[in-house]
Amino acid sequence: EVQLVQSGAEVKKPGESLKISCKASGYSFSTYWIGWVRQIPGKGLEWMGVIYPGDSDTRYNPSFQGQVTISADESISTAYLQWTSLKASDTAIYYCARRLNFNRLDPWGQGTLVTVSS
Amino acid sequence: NFMLTQPHSVSESPGKTVTISCTRTGGSIAGNYVNWYQQRPGSAPTTVIYEDYHRPSGVPDRFSGSIDRSSNSASLTISGLKTEDEADYYCQSYDSTTVLFGGGTKLTVL
Repeated sequence: EVQLVQSGAEVKKPGESLKISCKASGYSFSTYWIGWVRQIPGKGLEWMGVIYPGDSDTRYNPSFQGQVTISADESISTAYLQWTSLKASDTAIYYCARRLNFNRLDPWGQGTLVTVSS
Repeated sequence: NFMLTQPHSVSESPGKTVTISCTRTGGSIAGNYVNWYQQRPGSAPTTVIYEDYHRPSGVPDRFSGSIDRSSNSASLTISGLKTEDEADYYCQSYDSTTVLFGGGTKLTVL
């Protein structure tokens, strides 16, 4: 069974750094892109970017370029989403998902709630 | 650049049929595939339609997708509505540089 399991909820203060993870199983991690999607509570889905773990090729939505870093570690089939200095506006649920043909995302991880508050 | 516009909400009674539209502004709806996702409260999204009209295994055939070149829109139709279909539905498409979701439609089955 293809599965993506994300790290647990985080509560951080503005200015702190954070790295959340997404561990894949049940398929060849290196040969599928992994995408990250943001969902602010009560709002819609926003495509953040994707990474190809096989060669770490990364593509960002311009709205998120420079705000986050997407990375992956093939050896442990895990993708990451990282911030160096969190803002309150980063409070959201972050989902990872495997990207299939034509940008279909399937399956999705369970989501990681990140709360940034002083 | 392009946008995908969905109605904010729709409602219908159990057993009826509802259609959710997704209108593309900027570029042709037929030029890039449309995927549809269902998101129940408190859960991650799941695919209900991919590549305009294909249904993943496990999705009931009450769900169907189509595109209409004349209105430059995609549609998700759910027939024989059940209370379990109550959820948010998002369309998604792309161009050469961008992947976008529509704003989402809240389906109420009452």
